[in-house]
Amino acid sequence: AQSVAQPEDQVNVAEGNPLTVKCTYSVSGNPYLFWYVQYPNRGLQFLLKYITGDNLVKGSYGFEAEFNKSQTSFHLKKPSALVSDSALYFCAVRDGKAAGNKLTFGGGTRVLVKP
Amino acid sequence: DVKVTQSSRYLVKRTGEKVFLECVQDMDHENMFWYRQDPGLGLRLIYFSYDVKMKEKGDIPEGYSVSREKKERFSLILESASTNQTSMYLCASSFGSSFSYNEQFFGPGTRLTVL
Repeated sequence: AQSVAQPEDQVNVAEGNPLTVKCTYSVSGNPYLFWYVQYPNRGLQFLLKYITGDNLVKGSYGFEAEFNKSQTSFHLKKPSALVSDSALYFCAVRDGKAAGNKLTFGGGTRVLVKP
Repeated sequence: DVKVTQSSRYLVKRTGEKVFLECVQDMDHENMFWYRQDPGLGLRLIYFSYDVKMKEKGDIPEGYSVSREKKERFSLILESASTNQTSMYLCASSFGSSFSYNEQFFGPGTRLTVL
């Protein structure tokens, strides 16, 4: 079985400060990891993914994420947050052993960037 | 530009009604998915399909059924709506085989209220 945990329901950060959104996962095979963002009244938008290779993955809107196999984590980061980054962020995992292209999502973390 | 559309943004139905939610993608994707999104629970997979006329149960299929008669269209059916099916419903699609790790593209969502 595959699972994802986002330990923080909400993250508050001042504009211009670094932003980190935490994610840990559990799979039996190799993990395929994804981050999505949801702006108010919108569907989810893909930010970035880790499949293999470099542990630091760069994505859209200046976001990046670091894959850490020993800690089974895939934290999302942005060096300097903008007010427009305020949104709901979801981490998702797919077990490389499992067929079906099926993602399991975390519960989401709401990010509030204050001016 | 990739596009996933859902037939309604908001829907209000009464307990016991049969409800159809429609999803159409214009990207010739093989895989299509239906999720429900509830606060604190993230996205939970209801059903998915990796080919026309094929369907697989997700994590919470009870009370739902699906239909995929054409590649671009994936319908979610609530046979007899109940109040606990009040939720945001999100459709998604992705390219590739059942073993691929391509990102999913999401529609804007349908907020369903069952009275």
